[in-house]
Amino acid sequence: RKEVEQDPGPFNVPEGATVAFNCTYSNSASQSFFWYRQDCRKEPKLLMSVYSSGNEDGRFTAQLNRASQYISLLIRDSKLSDSATYLCVVTSTSGTYKYIFGTGTRLKVLA
Amino acid sequence: DTAVSQTPKYLVTQMGNDKSIKCEQNLGHDTMYWYKQDSKKFLKIMFSYNNKELIINETVPNRFSPKSPDKAHLNLHINSLELGDSAVYFCASSPTGTGMEGYTFGSGTRLTVV
Repeated sequence: RKEVEQDPGPFNVPEGATVAFNCTYSNSASQSFFWYRQDCRKEPKLLMSVYSSGNEDGRFTAQLNRASQYISLLIRDSKLSDSATYLCVVTSTSGTYKYIFGTGTRLKVLA
Repeated sequence: DTAVSQTPKYLVTQMGNDKSIKCEQNLGHDTMYWYKQDSKKFLKIMFSYNNKELIINETVPNRFSPKSPDKAHLNLHINSLELGDSAVYFCASSPTGTGMEGYTFGSGTRLTVV
């Protein structure tokens, strides 16, 4: 089983739709979780951290479910500019801290 | 003002050559990283340095040698390049390397070995 797994998509949604992605992780001791966004041929950029109590940033909501070992990202009122690959990141706790990336979920918002 | 800058942006070279990629950050961060993103878009850590000290060295061929002359710079030298080394290499930095904070990535170096 991969350490961090995501549905690769693509998720094709119309503008204005609500879309949600999940990401599962295998290490129950993981402490830190993030969502990154990567545009085509660009570097990953931090979208938001994921806190235990869940957190919201504008149209974006991130949730953590420790019991089932997954994190989620909800995007409301999708914009064309939201089209990108969304990368889930979990911090490994075995030895030195390091990011473990998921393979990403591709989102295409259609006009 | 670029926070994490890598050079070159593109690198096309023949098999067997030796090449270097440079990375510099002006954020005052303590920790820097090299990641490799392959053709399937999977990002995998290669190395990490904290204040010039190597702290992560994943299972990477020893043809790859990182060097950190100071905490603002982390360079990657690759000997005897192979076709399988073709990928995008991203440098990143974080404030402390505790895993609790976000990383800032450079724009990547697209390496093509022919």
